[in-house]
Amino acid sequence: GNSVTQMEGPVTLSEEAFLTINCTYTATGYPSLFWYVQYPGEGLQLLLKATKADDKGSNKGFEATYRKETTSFHLEKGSVQVSDSAVYFCALLSGGSYIPTFGRGTSLIVHP
Amino acid sequence: EAQVTQNPRYLITVTGKKLTVTCSQNMNHEYMSWYRQDPGLGLRQIYYSMNVEVTDKGDVPEGYKVSRKEKRNFPLILESPSPNQTSLYFCASRRQGPAYEQYFGPGTRLTVT
Repeated sequence: GNSVTQMEGPVTLSEEAFLTINCTYTATGYPSLFWYVQYPGEGLQLLLKATKADDKGSNKGFEATYRKETTSFHLEKGSVQVSDSAVYFCALLSGGSYIPTFGRGTSLIVHP
Repeated sequence: EAQVTQNPRYLITVTGKKLTVTCSQNMNHEYMSWYRQDPGLGLRQIYYSMNVEVTDKGDVPEGYKVSRKEKRNFPLILESPSPNQTSLYFCASRRQGPAYEQYFGPGTRLTVT
């Protein structure tokens, strides 16, 4: 079956530090890949997505590249802000399934 | 504004007292689902629906019921809540197709005593 593995958190950084949150997956076929963000007290919202190999999704300074050869979709940001403190979820949706698969989430804490 | 709404946002109830959490979306999405979120366990899917009158079990369906009589609404029913159903619940919807993201509601914090 499909699965998504994310690095365990929390990830604690100082403001303006570089961020990487690792995400790897197993899936049948050619899935679409997503990063969602959950700010405190809110529901999840889409951060970025990529629907085919080598695509790069980007939004709000975050980027992730769909790497089929390494089955990865790592999230990066060059300079984090305190307002980026949230839980980040990697997810996939494979072409043959209507059911998304989520990773367990990675908490990011950014200190001033 | 495109959105998924849930009510109530917070609910404290007692064991065995039936309750319903409503979910509504205004985007004409075919697919809707319910999740629960618990510390250390991430998101777990309870039930999903691919269209009106079509529902199916997710990973943790025990103790829950759903219905999909209209495209926009997908209520979650707890016939006899128990303390192990204390959790944060999210409703979500999306268009059919593998490239479409999910839209999530704001969450319902349920406490069963």
